[in-house]
Amino acid sequence: NAGVMQNPRHLVRRRGQEARLRCSPMKGHSHVYWYRQLPEEGLKFMVYLQKENIIDESGMPKERFSAEFPKEGPSILRIQQVVRGDSAAYFCASSPSLRGNQPQHFGDGTRLSIL
Amino acid sequence: DQQVKQNSPSLSVQEGRISILNCDYTNSMFDYFLWYKKYPAEGPTFLISISSIKDKNEDGRFTVFLNKSAKHLSLHIVPSQPGDSAVYFCAASEETSGSRLTFGEGTQLTVNP
Repeated sequence: NAGVMQNPRHLVRRRGQEARLRCSPMKGHSHVYWYRQLPEEGLKFMVYLQKENIIDESGMPKERFSAEFPKEGPSILRIQQVVRGDSAAYFCASSPSLRGNQPQHFGDGTRLSIL
Repeated sequence: DQQVKQNSPSLSVQEGRISILNCDYTNSMFDYFLWYKKYPAEGPTFLISISSIKDKNEDGRFTVFLNKSAKHLSLHIVPSQPGDSAVYFCAASEETSGSRLTFGEGTQLTVNP
């Protein structure tokens, strides 16, 4: 499967714990995006990364949330001290480059539930 | 500030007929528009896109129309098939934002056999 891979598909955490969501982009893609979808809403942009660089984090909450895309390995979205309001579906997307308006391709998401 | 809006939460059509999904935007800096289809428990799947220099793009049963003066785009599916039943999202980006996508709220399309 050469698509965007996200794991885990489902993640349950208690309030105050940490959540780590992983995303491996499509082969040949160097741009990674994270989006969050709350129930009954559209997807909202969180952060855009290239290898070892955060390009745009304007959609990321200022506290508790962080993202990285290391030189080796998947991109990680990390949520510290989770609260009930963090319950959502988190989607990762990747694209090959910015040239020529390349569409983003999405993974199947991680559904985060906070008890 | 909802910059991309899909005013119809749902649409129901008969198999074989045309489905028309609509999307409005407010940000005149958007220069690239996309439609995605989403099934439950899956990620959005890219369908078709259009650049702001065009007013129409066609791919098989799917056609996207862009009216820049009205800040409106639409997706036409013809003929509609039961397998097209899904949530359809309109999305837009501007070159200066580094391809960050702004999504509408989605329209649930149901195609009845």
